[in-house]
Amino acid sequence: QPVLTQSPSASASLGASVSLTCTLDSGHITYAIAWYQQQPEKVPRFLMMLNSDGSHIKGDGIPDRFSGSSSGAERSLTISSLQSDDEADYYCQTWGPGRMFGGGTKLTVL
Amino acid sequence: EVQLVESGGGLVQPGGSLRLSCAASGFSFSTYTMSWVRQAPGKGLEWVSTISDSGDSTYYADSVKGRFAISRDNSRNTLFLQMSSLRAADTAVYFCAKDLGAGNRYFHHWGQGTLVIVSS
Repeated sequence: QPVLTQSPSASASLGASVSLTCTLDSGHITYAIAWYQQQPEKVPRFLMMLNSDGSHIKGDGIPDRFSGSSSGAERSLTISSLQSDDEADYYCQTWGPGRMFGGGTKLTVL
Repeated sequence: EVQLVESGGGLVQPGGSLRLSCAASGFSFSTYTMSWVRQAPGKGLEWVSTISDSGDSTYYADSVKGRFAISRDNSRNTLFLQMSSLRAADTAVYFCAKDLGAGNRYFHHWGQGTLVIVSS
């Protein structure tokens, strides 16, 4: 089963850019993942599916400020021109026989 | 517009049972794999169970295997989760989720969730 590792927290200033990383365990570095955003007290929202080659499929209405990239076992979500409502928990997810989430990263916009 | 509306949550005693429902609309329900995902208070997301479009294949997290059963009624566009032998650790908001499709096993659309509290 794949294991996904995320830093528990990140922070960046309003208007700046931030990259959040999800790292796959060494046995699953070719796996695609998905990124989700969960704003406080809201339902998770699908941001994008991200392949190992960096290609991605975005969710409905996801702005261009959200982009994805891949390098080895790392799958990154970059948010540019940070806004206050980008403050949220961000989760990555993949699948093996079952499905699994990373522990999530809490993003604080300063 | 895709809509997923969960119901059936509530307060139940440890060892009890509960059946969750998810009414789907706005898409061809019978052609999508569907899942349940839960979130304990203040915690992260946890995948619970998945069922194929036809209902022939089901998958469970180890934490619920043998206690929960996922099913669907494609004639009624409804997804179910039968939960039994409930424990305090099952206390969570339960979300119904629709797959992205085309074999992509990611949760494209989510319902609003229904809260299950297991407590005496």
